[in-house]
Amino acid sequence: AQSVTQLGSHVSVSEGALVLLRCNYSSSVPPYLFWYVQYPNQGLQLLLKYTTGATLVKGINGFEAEFKKSETSFHLTKPSAHMSDAAEYFCAVSVPPFSGGYQKVTFGTGTKLQVIP
Amino acid sequence: DGGITQSPKYLFRKEGQNVTLSCEQNLNHDAMYWYRQDPGQGLRLIYYSQIVNDFQKGDIAEGYSVSREKKESFPLTVTSAQKNPTAFYLCASSYRTNTEAFFGQGTRLTVV
Repeated sequence: AQSVTQLGSHVSVSEGALVLLRCNYSSSVPPYLFWYVQYPNQGLQLLLKYTTGATLVKGINGFEAEFKKSETSFHLTKPSAHMSDAAEYFCAVSVPPFSGGYQKVTFGTGTKLQVIP
Repeated sequence: DGGITQSPKYLFRKEGQNVTLSCEQNLNHDAMYWYRQDPGQGLRLIYYSQIVNDFQKGDIAEGYSVSREKKESFPLTVTSAQKNPTAFYLCASSYRTNTEAFFGQGTRLTVV
């Protein structure tokens, strides 16, 4: 079974500063990894995903994440925070369909990002 | 535009009443899900369906029921047996169960 841990339920950064949201996963097979963003009272929107191939993944709104197998991490970064980045961010993990059946996507508990002007 | 529509956005019900939350998708996805979101607890899976006329319990199915009579629709009923139904409910769909999910805008249910 896979699991995902997001370090820090709340993160505050100044506008223009680096955004770093941490995600570590556990999986017995090479995982699929996702980052989602949720604005207040809305659904989740996919920011980026890693399945196979290049380990540095670029997403929407200037975010990117790097899959590091040796560290079992998939941290989300953005070079310069904008006020509109204030939201809750969820990391998620699943596994490829090697043997059929239901491969569950497991979500982390979320990190709320506050951007200080 | 393709997407997932949840209705209503806000719902108020009296304690002891059943209530049904609507979820419709036009993405031609086979898999659909219902999640419950409470502050600080992330997303918890209530039910999922991989194909029409089939659905499975998730992690917190007690007090909930679903149906999947059409590919496009996956309504969730919150029954009076659900002890703490006040929450934000999210419906999602995906091409396969391990691929990225597309979410609706959510329904905030308040039971008074």
